[in-house]
Amino acid sequence: DGGITQSPKYLFRKEGQNVTLSCEQNLNHDAMYWYRQDPGQGLRLIYYSQIVNDFQKGDIAEGYSVSREKKESFPLTVTSAQKNPTAFYLCASSAGRGYTFGSGTRLTVV
Amino acid sequence: GNSVTQMEGPVTLSEEAFLTINCTYTATGYPSLFWYVQYPGEGLQLLLKATKADDKGSNKGFEATYRKETTSFHLEKGSVQVSDSAVYFCALLNNAGNMLTFGGGTRLMVKP
Repeated sequence: DGGITQSPKYLFRKEGQNVTLSCEQNLNHDAMYWYRQDPGQGLRLIYYSQIVNDFQKGDIAEGYSVSREKKESFPLTVTSAQKNPTAFYLCASSAGRGYTFGSGTRLTVV
Repeated sequence: GNSVTQMEGPVTLSEEAFLTINCTYTATGYPSLFWYVQYPGEGLQLLLKATKADDKGSNKGFEATYRKETTSFHLEKGSVQVSDSAVYFCALLNNAGNMLTFGGGTRLMVKP
């Protein structure tokens, strides 16, 4: 079955460390997105990519980086510059007007 | 820019009660409108959508009508169940189809 896989489901990071969240899709979607969700809040766009080897900043890109070397993969790196990284991170992909979401990664800074 | 405003939760209802979650939007052009549902610890699932004015989206007993005159897309269900307990997000997709804007989410709790 086609879908989006995010891994790991739970991730713990020490302060000052970079960490990379994985997002893989086998839907053959051109566009991919990363969102951040904080408790009791909506989703905010971090980065998005409309096509391989191209990506754009969203509303809250500071402290994050991405790459899009393959159509299927859109990893997100949370760098040490991100002041408050503890959150739930959701990856999505789209073709046309249909969006599909992964099951998310919960990142906790310890 | 585009924006979506939802009623704040939590909304607490008894089983079989009528549900309304309000959603209004601000956008240029003719956006598509969506309701997503998020169960605890999971990602978002598309619940229903509407792509033009006066369209009604429906799924699993939930309905929402795209009202351009009031820029609204309120979610309704005639009789909620405990299993409907989740967070509901209203969202707007811009004309170009490359930017999905979410409301803040509304937590629904249904008690037996």
